[in-house]
Order: sequence, then structure tokens, then C-alpha cells
Amino acid sequence: DAGVIQSPRHEVTEMGQEVTLRCKPISGHNSLFWYRQTMMRGLELLIYFNNNVPIDDSGMPEDRFSAKMPNASFSTLKIQPSEPRDSAVYFCASSPSYEQYFGPGTRLTVT
Amino acid sequence: RKEVEQDPGPFNVPEGATVAFNCTYSNSASQSFFWYRQDCRKEPKLLMSVYSSGNEDGRFTAQLNRASQYISLLIRDSKLSDSATYLCSTSGTYKYIFGTGTRLKVLA
Repeated sequence: DAGVIQSPRHEVTEMGQEVTLRCKPISGHNSLFWYRQTMMRGLELLIYFNNNVPIDDSGMPEDRFSAKMPNASFSTLKIQPSEPRDSAVYFCASSPSYEQYFGPGTRLTVT
Repeated sequence: RKEVEQDPGPFNVPEGATVAFNCTYSNSASQSFFWYRQDCRKEPKLLMSVYSSGNEDGRFTAQLNRASQYISLLIRDSKLSDSATYLCSTSGTYKYIFGTGTRLKVLA
């Protein structure tokens, strides 16, 4: 069975550029989560979708971040414009109920 | 105060030792509890759910104490391969919180 798929795995970009991260959840899971992980702040929930509808986006840092889930098998997290402080590992996770299954993450570096 | 708190460690233990981690949570409305394992530069992976009655999976035992608002993870006969960071997680209605993790290093 394929797990959660994320792309790209690594992204290096310059400050001010737009970055789009992609996620394909596990088929049949009705919840999808975007997290950001840094050494300083640990794993932070950015946004949570249930049945493709955003339920809680209170963790989204600011207007530069946006997320969409146009259908049950795809979600994007966009940062525009990117800043060096956005450098982190971004994980997507999906869930059939409460337990979560994480993708391999996208390691983002903004220079 | 953080909603979920863990001792960051590291816990350095010899192979074969028994080691236990605690995780405290502040939201009494939390409904579900989990332990995840995260290896260096990898994603968190679900280790086990934590039930009120306690549950065991091989060498791993998880327990929940609602009165004192903490969950625990006990690892018996630790192996070198158990070296990782262990994250606790709580969830309630539309709320999912992870601790910052406890680092375990099992020494040969």
C-alpha cells in the first residue's frame, strides 16, 4: 500500500519566491493535516482538513501561507512570498480517525 | 505552559535496560492519545495508541492517567534499534497537539 506521498522532497529557493508543496493522502482517509517541524518549535499543526473542508487553520503563520484541498486525493500548501524563517521540514499526514500517518516530508530551505 | 510537555532527554541507556517516558497534557478535554517514533531526518511513525486501561505491544507498554493528565511509555529489554525520538500526541475535537519529543539513545 502506498503511504502518504509528498513532493518535492527537497526545495531550495530564494527569498521572495513562491513555493508550492504537494501531498497525496492515503486513499480512504478523510482527514489531512499539514505540519511544520523545526528544532526550535517542534511539530506545529498548520491546517487540518476533514472531507476536503478546512476545519482549523489557526496554525497558519500569516497570510503568506495558504492551503487547498480540491479533492480527496490531493492537497497543496503554498507560501508566497517565501522568507528565510520559513525554512523547515513540512509534513503532510492523513488519518482515517484519530491516528495519523505521515508522509516523508518536504525539506524547505529559503535563502 | 505548553499544552503537551515532554522531557527532551536525551535518555542514554544500555542495551537490555528498561526505560520509561512521561508526557503531561493540559487539556482535560483531550480524547485520544498516541505515541509516535521519529528517526533522525524521517517522518513520525505511529508507535501505539494509548487507552485508559493501558495497552501493551511486545516490549512496549503505554498507559494513561486521566486524573493526573499524563501518559507514559515503557520500553523493556531495549534494543539499539529503539534509539529514536518519541513524540506523544493528544487529540480532541478539532485539536491535535504533539509534544516536542524525548530522545532515546540505546548504547551497546
